[in-house]
Formats: sequence, C-alpha cells, structure tokens
Amino acid sequence: GAVVSQHPSWVICKSGTSVKIECRSLDFQATTMFWYRQFPKQSLMLMATSNEGSKATYEQGVEKDKFLINHASLTLSTLTVTSAHPEDSSFYICSARGQGASYNSPLHFGNGTRLTVT
Amino acid sequence: AQSVTQPDIHITVSEGASLELRCNYSYGATPYLFWYVQSPGQGLQLLLKYFSGDTLVQGIKGFEAEFKRSQSSFNLRKPSVHWSDAAEYFCAVGARAAGNKLTFGGGTRVLVKP
Repeated sequence: GAVVSQHPSWVICKSGTSVKIECRSLDFQATTMFWYRQFPKQSLMLMATSNEGSKATYEQGVEKDKFLINHASLTLSTLTVTSAHPEDSSFYICSARGQGASYNSPLHFGNGTRLTVT
Repeated sequence: AQSVTQPDIHITVSEGASLELRCNYSYGATPYLFWYVQSPGQGLQLLLKYFSGDTLVQGIKGFEAEFKRSQSSFNLRKPSVHWSDAAEYFCAVGARAAGNKLTFGGGTRVLVKP
C-alpha cells in the first residue's frame, strides 16, 4: 500500500518551454504533498508544500511563478516548471502524507522525475 | 531551526562486513527521525523511523538505528551488508513545531566491495 506514482520519470525539453510533472497517490488520499528538488550527489531540498484545495506554501528562495503547483484533488498534485532554463535541470521528487495520517507519519515518495533542459 | 548532519559523504564496505552510518541532528525538542534509502534514479524508501519509546528501532532489510538523546544522534547499522545495500542513505528529521516538514541530511553513499 501507500504507493506514490510520479510521471514522467524523465523528460527532456527545450529552453523556454514548460514542463508538467504529475504526482499521484494510487491507493490512498493525500491531503498534503511535498515537492523536493535534488541536485546530483546532493540531498533533497524542499521546494513547496501543497495542500489539497489551497495554495501551495513555497520555501524561501523558490520562485512561485516559475514552479507552479496545483493540488486539485486528494490524489493528484502537479508541478509545472515554466519557461524552463538549463539551470532548472534537476531531479524532482514528490512525496505524500495520507489523509488522517498523524503528524509524524512517514512520507511516501514517488520515484522522481529527471528533468533535462537543453 | 532543525538541521541534520551526516558526516560521511561516502563509505565503502566489503560484502558481509558491518555498516554504520552516522546522523546527528539539531533540534530543541524531541524530533521524529527517519532513515531513507535511495537507489540511483529512484525515489526514497523508508527504512525505519523513531518517534518515542524504545531507542533501538528495527527496520526493513535488516537495518536498525539507535536514538541517543545525549549525543543528538540516530545512527543506522547493519550487521552484515549485501551487495544490494549499495545506495544513498538519508537521515531526516521532522517536528510538529516545524510544520511537519522533513529536513534531510546530505546523504551518505554506500559502496559495497565484493
């Protein structure tokens, strides 16, 4: 149980285009989803917290207009990288916490999306 | 603010040898602690977690971790590593007062020699 599916697993796009990454909770409802960014050989950096039906909360230094997050349902959150540039190339990972889960329950992670901007 | 330090960037061990990965955290109250493992190009898989109670916690794949409040540590151990244990390991800390967000350590890459 508690499977998080992330799609696509990898994407290559041209500079200036936008890319949408989907994060779905397959067998549970996720009131909260988190989006992380991971540079090669580095740790995960939290970008934003997404709550179903409300605006995402972005971490300091993350451009909300560049990284659009939508959490329209209890099973789907999307991250759109707008006007992508090569420096946006990274590994993006989503995670989810189930509806009703306690505050200290572990997160369930997707398998990540490798974005390469050429 | 909470923080997590994993002092070892990478560790090489021989198959069958024991493994210990260090994790130190900084937080004013009792945090909740996790160890995750990440294979190349993959997401994170939970190995084990600590919230309260017994300070020695058992996880999957034969891993265990011990919470030591006096040392602000939560080290991960495995008595005998397998080649499949080669991966990146992340320690993470969370706290209710921090909005339940997880802060990750820098990670430790484990290489297993045959």
